[in-house]
Amino acid sequence: AQSVAQPEDQVNVAEGNPLTVKCTYSVSGNPYLFWYVQYPNRGLQFLLKYITGDNLVKGSYGFEAEFNKSQTSFHLKKPSALVSDSALYFCAVRVYFGNEKLTFGTGTRLTIIP
Amino acid sequence: DTAVSQTPKYLVTQMGNDKSIKCEQNLGHDTMYWYKQDSKKFLKIMFSYNNKELIINETVPNRFSPKSPDKAHLNLHINSLELGDSAVYFCASSQRAGGEREQFFGPGTRLTVL
Repeated sequence: AQSVAQPEDQVNVAEGNPLTVKCTYSVSGNPYLFWYVQYPNRGLQFLLKYITGDNLVKGSYGFEAEFNKSQTSFHLKKPSALVSDSALYFCAVRVYFGNEKLTFGTGTRLTIIP
Repeated sequence: DTAVSQTPKYLVTQMGNDKSIKCEQNLGHDTMYWYKQDSKKFLKIMFSYNNKELIINETVPNRFSPKSPDKAHLNLHINSLELGDSAVYFCASSQRAGGEREQFFGPGTRLTVL
């Protein structure tokens, strides 16, 4: 079985400050890890993914995420938050082999305070 | 051009009715999905088709029946609608099933059952 935990329902960050949205995962085997963003009344948009190799992955809109195998984490980060980053963020995992299902976390609402 | 489109965007109907939601992708992808997002924003896979073949069928009531007439289309028919079916339904597609391929989401169909 595979699962994803996003321990924070809500994260508030002042504009210009660094932000982190946390994600931990559990899979039997090696994972593919993804971050998606959902703006109000919109579908999910892909931000970035970890496949293999470099643990630091860079994605859209200046976001990056760090894969940590020992801590089974894949936290999303950005050095300087923008008000336009305010949205709902989902972490997702899929195991390398077997079931093709993508399992999503419960989402973290990120609010950037001007 | 919209990559993944859904119709209708909003659907309001009475309990007991039958309704359909249509999805089309123009990305040339092999795999399509239906997700349900409830009022708490939890996102859950319902079905997945790969080259018109059903490959994921989660524990969804029999009242829900997906149909894929071709690789570019995946429709969702719901019989005998219930109050609990009220949610936002997202269609998504990916280049192929499983692996490292990210999914592209449609804008969603907000279903309200009265």
